[in-house]
Amino acid sequence: DAKTTQPTSMDCAEGRAANLPCNHSTISGNEYVYWYRQIHSQGPQYIIHGLKNNETNEMASLIITEDRKSSTLILPHATLRDTAVYYCIVRPGSGAGSYQLTFGKGTKLSVIP
Amino acid sequence: NAGVTQTPKFQVLKTGQSMTLQCAQDMNHEYMSWYRQDPGMGLRLIHYSVGAGITDQGEVPNGYNVSRSTTEDFPLRLLSAAPSQTSVYFCASSGGASGANVLTFGAGSRLTVL
Repeated sequence: DAKTTQPTSMDCAEGRAANLPCNHSTISGNEYVYWYRQIHSQGPQYIIHGLKNNETNEMASLIITEDRKSSTLILPHATLRDTAVYYCIVRPGSGAGSYQLTFGKGTKLSVIP
Repeated sequence: NAGVTQTPKFQVLKTGQSMTLQCAQDMNHEYMSWYRQDPGMGLRLIHYSVGAGITDQGEVPNGYNVSRSTTEDFPLRLLSAAPSQTSVYFCASSGGASGANVLTFGAGSRLTVL
């Protein structure tokens, strides 16, 4: 499976956009980019995922570079409740490994008042 | 629609005791799985099931047993608890095993083995 590289931690001012980068330079053509977050020790919460195109939902936007080697998760107006560990995960679309999410250490995002 | 429900939320066991962590989902999902999370680490897959009657091992299966008799339930059994099994356990489900299917996680069960 392709691995991901994320910064260990980031700060963001409340009300500003939080841009969380992820490098996945060995991603394959059928692998999805997923983002989850975990607040304290709660269950991981799904945020967004994409294959090739940029995606947007009510929580966030996902920007994937044209070569698919990196992506950015954008939280448009960060609030204190967005303080969490954010995981960028590459997941095969089919075959071995498609059934699981392989979590790294993620990025600890702190939203500052 | 409750999603994925795990019980109990907290449990303390003595070494050698057995117990079952319960997981139930009401979304008619075919795929269910169990992960464990140790301090400062990401989640690791223990066992998974692609449908009733079908289970398979994940990355860290030793010491755990599962069965899937119904679509809704996927219990995780610890046959003889060890301190190394102290962890937070998460159950997850999705509509299928392919990468396009979003996994929904439960709130977790925190287990301490003394």
